[in-house]
Formats: sequence, structure tokens, C-alpha cells
Amino acid sequence: DQQVKQNSPSLSVQEGRISILNCDYTNSMFDYFLWYKKYPAEGPTFLISISSIKDKNEDGRFTVFLNKSAKHLSLHIVPSQPGDSAVYFCAASDRTYKYIFGTGTRLKVLA
Amino acid sequence: DARVTQTPRDKVTEMGQEVTMRCQPILGHNTVFWYRQTMMQGLELLAYFRNRAPLDDSGMPKDRFSAEMPDATLATLKIQPSEPRDSAVYFCASGTYPDSRWTQYFGPGTRLLVL
Repeated sequence: DQQVKQNSPSLSVQEGRISILNCDYTNSMFDYFLWYKKYPAEGPTFLISISSIKDKNEDGRFTVFLNKSAKHLSLHIVPSQPGDSAVYFCAASDRTYKYIFGTGTRLKVLA
Repeated sequence: DARVTQTPRDKVTEMGQEVTMRCQPILGHNTVFWYRQTMMQGLELLAYFRNRAPLDDSGMPKDRFSAEMPDATLATLKIQPSEPRDSAVYFCASGTYPDSRWTQYFGPGTRLLVL
């Protein structure tokens, strides 16, 4: 039973355009969400997070949106750059240290 | 530039053999996590330590997996005996409590292949 789902295994976007990565969750107790980025042969690195008391958090080119009623979050990257090509994981937590991760979305930004 | 280190980076072994993976957390971090990445499940939490004490290993197959922290600078994950279904990338992550709820620093992973 996947509590956190990333239904798109891959996404290709032209450089300069917007990348939108989606994540759905089922557990209404989740109150904190993170996005990690992972390059090949490296561990995931923290990208951006959002608390359930917010519906948007922005950091430079990265914005995360949270829709609690739909149990959906999305990561927007604007403008997309070739260096953004990586696997992106979303993760959710319910007031504990325990994060449930999605299966990841591989983003390819085409030059 | 403080980093989590993991050894070995790659391991190929035969079914039934013992596998030991090692992790050196970032100096000063008091929480350590072991994750396993598979194509089907994404990143799964296997075990969690705080101040070297195991707090949660519910994600680990108990009959064959064991995790320990002999000291604050070393965490180990052992599989005995290993099986082909254990093939995956194993990540160690560290952080400080309670900040590790928000930020965990991952190592580069150990890629395990069990034949």
C-alpha cells in the first residue's frame, strides 16, 4: 500500500520551460512534506519542504504547492535548466522522524 | 565540507553470503537512518538510531537483517544470509535531533547485487 505516490516515472521538458512534478498521498495525518533531488551515483539531497499549515513555499526557481483537500502536492521548477535533470522524490511525515517516500520521477531537461 | 560516507560503494555477492555495509555519519549528528531504494518501493526506511540507540527497525526483515552503531562514528547494516531479493541501493542518512525531522543528509549509497 503506497501511501505516497508519484505516478509519473519520467518527465521531459525543454530548457527554460516549467517543470511540474506531482505527488499524491493517502494519509491525512501527514503534516510535513519534502522534495529531494537525486543525481546518479549520489544520495538524495534536500530541495524544498512545506508544512501542512501552508499551501505554498518558494525558494528561488523552486516552488512547492500543497492541496490538502486533494491530498496532492506539486513541485514547480521555473525556468528549468539542464542541471535540474535528476530523479525527484517526494516524502511525507506524520509528526515523527519517519518519512514515507514516493518512487521518484526522473526529470530530463532538454537543451 | 561534511558528508556522510558509506562503504563499500558497490558489492556483488552470492546468495547465502554475509554482507556488511558501513556508514560514517556527519560528525556531531546524533541520528542515523538506513534506507533501501528499490524500483518498486522507492526509498524505504529500514532502521533509525538516536544517540546510538535503535529506536525503530520495523522496516527491516528481522530474520536476516541487523543494524548497529558500535560507536558514534560508525553505523553498520548486516544481511546474513543474503538473498537475490535484497539487491538494491542502501542509503545511510544522518541528522541532528529534532532537526532530522526536517533535514537528513544522505550518503552516496551502497549498491548491492546478490546473485
